[in-house]
Amino acid sequence: EVQLLESGGGLVQPGGSLRLSCAASGFTFSDYAMAWVRQAPGRGLEWVSGMGGRGSLMKYIDSVKGRFTISRDNFKNTLYLQMNGLRDDDTAVYYCAKGSYLTSFEVVNWGQGTLVTVSS
Amino acid sequence: DIQMTQSPSTLSASVGDRVTITCRASQNIDGWLAWYRQKPGKAPNLLIYRASSLQSGVPSRFSGTISGTQFTLTISSLQPDDFATYYCQQYFTSPYTFGQGTKLEI
Repeated sequence: EVQLLESGGGLVQPGGSLRLSCAASGFTFSDYAMAWVRQAPGRGLEWVSGMGGRGSLMKYIDSVKGRFTISRDNFKNTLYLQMNGLRDDDTAVYYCAKGSYLTSFEVVNWGQGTLVTVSS
Repeated sequence: DIQMTQSPSTLSASVGDRVTITCRASQNIDGWLAWYRQKPGKAPNLLIYRASSLQSGVPSRFSGTISGTQFTLTISSLQPDDFATYYCQQYFTSPYTFGQGTKLEI
């Protein structure tokens, strides 16, 4: 059974940093694209960043470029999102998302989400 | 970025009804479109991929069609579990944008 377990969310002041982690199990982690999708309170889904299975194809939405960094450790089966320079509009539930294969970013499996709140 | 425009934003229906939700892409996405259902307080789940392929385990009352840059999700006979919010997503080119969502209400 595929499991994606996010951690690292919390309350942070504007300008601060957080690192989200997603521990994956139940599948061959390096064979699948992974991504982060967020959802602000009461709002829709927003694809934030993704990475291909072999660690290539790093992609970001424009609003987080230069502030967020996605990475993965295929030995630890873990996906990360380093978030720096956090802003109020980064407040959201962040979901870890698994694609359908190496470079495909439709989301077949979702984590339960971790809440990031940016506020002074 | 590719814009995905869903309609309607809200849809009222009853159990047993047939409903259709539309998603239009701002440019060609070559059929690389997925549909998701999200129940309140839960993560979404994948219903349809590649515009018309039913994800394993998803009931057959869900179906998807494509006509150029317009995509349609049809639920043939609404069940109580289907009252939720639906999203489309293009995964043709980054950023892999979602539609704004369609809330299906009783």
